[in-house]
Amino acid sequence: DSGVTQTPKHLITATGQRVTLRCSPRSGDLSVYWYQQSLDQGLQFLIQYYNGEERAKGNILERFSAQQFPDLHSELNLSSLELGDSALYFCASSERGEQETQYFGPGTRLLVL
Amino acid sequence: LAKTTQPISMDSYEGQEVNITCSHNNIATNDYITWYQQFPSQGPRFIIQGYKTKVTNEVASLFIPADRKSSTLSLPRVSLSDTAVYYCLVGDVWAGSYQLTFGKGTKLSVIP
Repeated sequence: DSGVTQTPKHLITATGQRVTLRCSPRSGDLSVYWYQQSLDQGLQFLIQYYNGEERAKGNILERFSAQQFPDLHSELNLSSLELGDSALYFCASSERGEQETQYFGPGTRLLVL
Repeated sequence: LAKTTQPISMDSYEGQEVNITCSHNNIATNDYITWYQQFPSQGPRFIIQGYKTKVTNEVASLFIPADRKSSTLSLPRVSLSDTAVYYCLVGDVWAGSYQLTFGKGTKLSVIP
């Protein structure tokens, strides 16, 4: 158990809908990272937040957005969902920044029908 | 955007040493190289991290040449439980913003 929690574990929705994925980092960790893992693209970095502020951005689509709240939990919002958004979404956390060990959560499996 | 390149898959017999190499151009001066292990339907798990030369811990060694454009993860005496996908992670500066780049992963299959 990494100490990172993600909810929900599974999510099934329809195209065009909007969903919110939630992540609680390990106690004391200030950085949260979001990744998307699909069969054909591997593990793709989406975005990182540090202590409530956006720190680094990957290939995150404009339909996706994220935020980190004062209690340090984070949410990833996916809107106007397409079939191709079906994937595993992982959250990870670290104490501070990019050079540290990241602890990954169990992931949320999203299926868009 | 700099790319990282790893072999797609590798097979090894139990008890052998396995070396997985990751190529990473344009690695930033201050960036570390980190390797993760992932089992099916689980999040990646940290294995080892290094900056240059050689790093060793209780599960693996990491070799990084002077130019730092590649790194090699070495797993001594693998067992069936080492069957997993292995990713290397490097930071990357692209278009002025900091990004994290995972390789596509190497699927290691350990054969009894």
